[in-house]
Amino acid sequence: ELKVEQNPLFLSMQEGKNYTIYCNYSTTSDRLYWYRQDPGKSLESLFVLLSNGAVKQEGRLMASLDTKARLSTLHITAAVHDLSATYFCAVEWETSGSRLTFGEGTQLTVNP
Amino acid sequence: DTEVTQTPKHLVMGMTNKKSLKCEQHMGHRAMYWYKQKAKKPPELMFVYSYEKLSINESVPSRFSPECPNSSLLNLHLHALQPEDSALYLCASSQHVGRAQYFGPGTRLTVL
Repeated sequence: ELKVEQNPLFLSMQEGKNYTIYCNYSTTSDRLYWYRQDPGKSLESLFVLLSNGAVKQEGRLMASLDTKARLSTLHITAAVHDLSATYFCAVEWETSGSRLTFGEGTQLTVNP
Repeated sequence: DTEVTQTPKHLVMGMTNKKSLKCEQHMGHRAMYWYKQKAKKPPELMFVYSYEKLSINESVPSRFSPECPNSSLLNLHLHALQPEDSALYLCASSQHVGRAQYFGPGTRLTVL
């Protein structure tokens, strides 16, 4: 069974602090995505990671992929309130017809 | 034009009603998707269209009927829904199956 597990599921942090969200998946993947979702809104694509060792950065967010460990991380640097949202990782396997399998999401709250 | 649009934004319907959700993109994408998302849960794939042909149906009940009249348009016809079908319905598109998916703003559906 294909599984994608995120942790933590809930994260409350102070502004200015650093933290990492983890995404583990159960079998070899073709692509890994990170999305952001604000309450009541749609999903915003943040990163697409295609290969082992891939690292992408946008502002205070940095995503990495270790395909051997079947692990992706989303690192938050010097958090600000505007980063409060739910973050999903999603894994795509071509052998599954390119279905996206989502993690449960990490609800991030950044407190002033 | 780099967005996916969905109408209506909100829909309230009774269990005997027939309604349709509409999704449109003008990015030349040839794959389009319907997802269902319940509160505080990740999106769940319902249907995938590739080159206007249905390629994936995730065992969705027949009260949901997708239609892809052309490469830019995707509809979801609703009939005899149940209250548990209330959710956010998200449309997405990608250049081809297996490429990054771009999500629309969603339709918030309430079934009374």
